Amino acid sequence: SSELTQDPAVSVALGQTVRITCQGDSLRSYSASWLQQKPGQAPLLVIYGKNNRPSGIPDRFSGSTSGNTASLTITGAQAEDEADYYCNSRDSSGSHPHVLFGGGTKLTVL
Amino acid sequence: QVQLQESGPGLVKPSGTLSLSCDVSGDSISSYNWWSWVRQPPGKGLEWIGEIYHTGSTSNNPSLKTRVSISVDKSKNHFSLELTSMTAADTAVYYCARVKRYYDSSGYVEYFQDWGQGTQVTVSS
Repeated sequence: SSELTQDPAVSVALGQTVRITCQGDSLRSYSASWLQQKPGQAPLLVIYGKNNRPSGIPDRFSGSTSGNTASLTITGAQAEDEADYYCNSRDSSGSHPHVLFGGGTKLTVL
Repeated sequence: QVQLQESGPGLVKPSGTLSLSCDVSGDSISSYNWWSWVRQPPGKGLEWIGEIYHTGSTSNNPSLKTRVSISVDKSKNHFSLELTSMTAADTAVYYCARVKRYYDSSGYVEYFQDWGQGTQVTVSS
């Protein structure tokens, strides 16, 4: 079956822009969503669909997809953005549709 | 505001069965949403376990095969997870979540909108 691949770790200087990517064949057919998880906390949805932010998520978070790669961009990263980020999408390969999560990217804000 | 709360034993014996419930408040379990279980082993990433719709329709992670059973209780507005033949590899934080699905101009959209706080499950004798 398919999988979603993320870089294990990314760093960004405070106030700069960072892009976190997620690759997988399922992204050619299904949109990705992005989750932020801070230590000891449950995941929090930050981006879904084409490029939608839930209420309360700052507009410095944005999403895009090209081919089999989805990207989460943080424009002007803040200290509070330091967290693990996971992409996810549906996958219809194999005998039954199911959900995939990427392995996660640890974002460090320097 | 939707709230989800997991409950169940924190300790399960090897070869035993895990039973967890997720109480939903602020939304009806019979609404147009799917309800899902996700787990996270210590220091690792998220793993989807399975999902259920209020009609009883389910889908599970192929890697867990027939070990997983998910059910819904409309009278209690909650859904449940059973995971059999537990081993140390099943030690994880288990989350329940509300999943929204719809179609818009860009196509099919699905996302995990709301999460419970998670419950730690340890497999040990």
